[in-house]
Amino acid sequence: GAGVSQSPSNKVTEKGKDVELRCDPISGHTALYWYRQSLGQGLEFLIYFQGNSAPDKSGLPSDRFSAERTGGSVSTLTIQRTQQEDSAVYLCASTWDTKNIQYFGAGTRLSVL
Amino acid sequence: AQSVTQLDSQVPVFEEAPVELRCNYSSSVSVYLFWYVQYPNQGLQLLLKYLSGSTLVKGINGFEAEFNKSQTSFHLRKPSVHISDTAEYFCAVSLIKAAGNKLTFGGGTRVLVKP
Repeated sequence: GAGVSQSPSNKVTEKGKDVELRCDPISGHTALYWYRQSLGQGLEFLIYFQGNSAPDKSGLPSDRFSAERTGGSVSTLTIQRTQQEDSAVYLCASTWDTKNIQYFGAGTRLSVL
Repeated sequence: AQSVTQLDSQVPVFEEAPVELRCNYSSSVSVYLFWYVQYPNQGLQLLLKYLSGSTLVKGINGFEAEFNKSQTSFHLRKPSVHISDTAEYFCAVSLIKAAGNKLTFGGGTRVLVKP
């Protein structure tokens, strides 16, 4: 079946603009995660959804970052007033089991000029 | 809080030679352990996982890892590498007890297989 799908694959934006990144998880996966991969910080957790709720938002770096999930499926990560330090690859993962085997999408590469 | 240390940031290795990637973790509670591989411009692919049971875990593409609780290590090995194994490898942990746990990753080890 289809894997985790992320769009766009690449996004170039100007500093100060808002961006939306989309994640379409594997069908039936109830849990969804966002991670960020950057040169300076490595792979960092951002937020976790169980269904449409986000019990763990501890990794969101500032209030410019927000995320939502609708219908227990698609999730959108929004970054407002982007800054150059937001440049990174944003990865989405999904899973259905409590043993936490997460399946990752190919990521969205965000470049803030 | 848990943490993961990958001791080598880069490992050059010749084709058909063995390779070992080192991973140590720190956690006050029990964890699950994972190795992921990332090929250029792709997402992360699960290589293998340790959840419980036998401490020697076999994964895809001929990789295996051994969980050592006393040394809090989970080193990854392959007896003979191919050019196609050139990639970045990430060790990760998650806490057993909590539901839906986030993965905590090490800094990654870049493997370059030379002909």
